[in-house]
This record gives sequence, C-alpha cells and structure tokens, in this order.
Amino acid sequence: KQEVTQIPAALSVPEGENLVLNCSFTDSAIYNLQWFRQDPGKGLTSLLLIQSSQREQTSGRLNASLDKSSGRSTLYIAASQPGDSATYLCAVRKVDFGNEKLTFGTGTRLTIIP
Amino acid sequence: KAGVTQTPRYLIKTRGQQVTLSCSPISGHRSVSWYQQTPGQGLQFLFEYFSETQRNKGNFPGRFSGRQFSNSRSEMNVSTLELGDSALYLCASSSRGGTYEQYFGPGTRLTVT
Repeated sequence: KQEVTQIPAALSVPEGENLVLNCSFTDSAIYNLQWFRQDPGKGLTSLLLIQSSQREQTSGRLNASLDKSSGRSTLYIAASQPGDSATYLCAVRKVDFGNEKLTFGTGTRLTIIP
Repeated sequence: KAGVTQTPRYLIKTRGQQVTLSCSPISGHRSVSWYQQTPGQGLQFLFEYFSETQRNKGNFPGRFSGRQFSNSRSEMNVSTLELGDSALYLCASSSRGGTYEQYFGPGTRLTVT
C-alpha cells in the first residue's frame, strides 16, 4: 500500500528566504506526482505535476523535483512571500489494489513571516 | 474556462439522514473524482467516475455512492449519516488523458450533528 509522508508538518520562515518542502513515498511505481496548496477551508490549487519519466518541473518561483528510485520529491520555493503561506500537499498517482488513485501526504503548513 | 464548481458549499445534517452533493467539472473534462478531507485522516480518495461509469474506488463503506451524468456532472450521496462523516468533501476533474492532472473544486463542508 502506497504511503506518502511530508516532513516537517509545519514550517515558519522569514519573508524573502528560499525554502524546500519534502515528500516521501514508499512505492516507486507511480504514474505521476502532483503538488498542491490549500488555503484554510478552501479547495486545492494545483501547483506542479511531474510525470514519472520527468525529473523536475518549474513554474515561476516554484521548482519541483522527483527521484523515483529514492521515493522522494521536493518543492523549492524561491524568494518566499507572505502570500505563500498555506498548507502544501503532495500526491502520487498509482494503482493500489486494482484501483488507480491519488494518495495524499498529510501536508506541510507553511507560514511566511513578514 | 470556468473551474470546478461544487454545490452546496455548506450543509448541516442530522445523524441518520442522507445527503447529496453535486460537482460540475471543467468543460471538456470527463473524469470526476471525489475525496473526503478530515483533520484526523487527511485527504482520502472515495471514487472516480469517467463516462458515467465508476472506474476506481477507495476504501469507504457502501453508504457512500455516486453517479455521473452524460454531461459529466457528478453527484455523491451519503446515506444514514454518522457523526464521523463530518468533513470537507472535494471533487476534482481531469481530462484523464495526457498528464491526468487533477483540478479541484472549493469543496462542500458537511457537518453532521
């Protein structure tokens, strides 16, 4: 059974700093990995999707990497801003017990201190 | 292009009642997936519908069911509500081709009293 872990559960950094969020998964046979952000009480906003054949994806100040062999992904946020404060979730897509689905990590709650 | 919409946004129900939630996907998307989010269990996959057929299913009891219409709109039904069903219910749509990227709606907050 696929398990997805995100450490730390919470992170606070001063505005302007670069930071890295981590995501680990137990089964490397994934189709893709997707990073989301979630603001309190809201839905999820897709940030980046990395296909299993890719190593990284970039969008603006965000860069996500994928290392399937080690079961790890990182989300790099450059020059952090207060508006980046949110919970960040990673999710992997694969087949589990005959069902293809997204399995989510528990998230990292990020606070950017002005 | 309009995003994923969910109705209603908030619901309060009593134990034992049933509830129906609705999700309209992004235009052109034929896959709709449903998720339950709770503080204790996080985000958990309920089921996915594609072309009016359930294609994938998570580990939830039969009280949770869904359907999809020919216009790709989907409904989720929960019967005999329990206190533990209180959660944010999210739906996501996807083209199910290419990257299979999921786009989420704002969710329906269900409170069972």
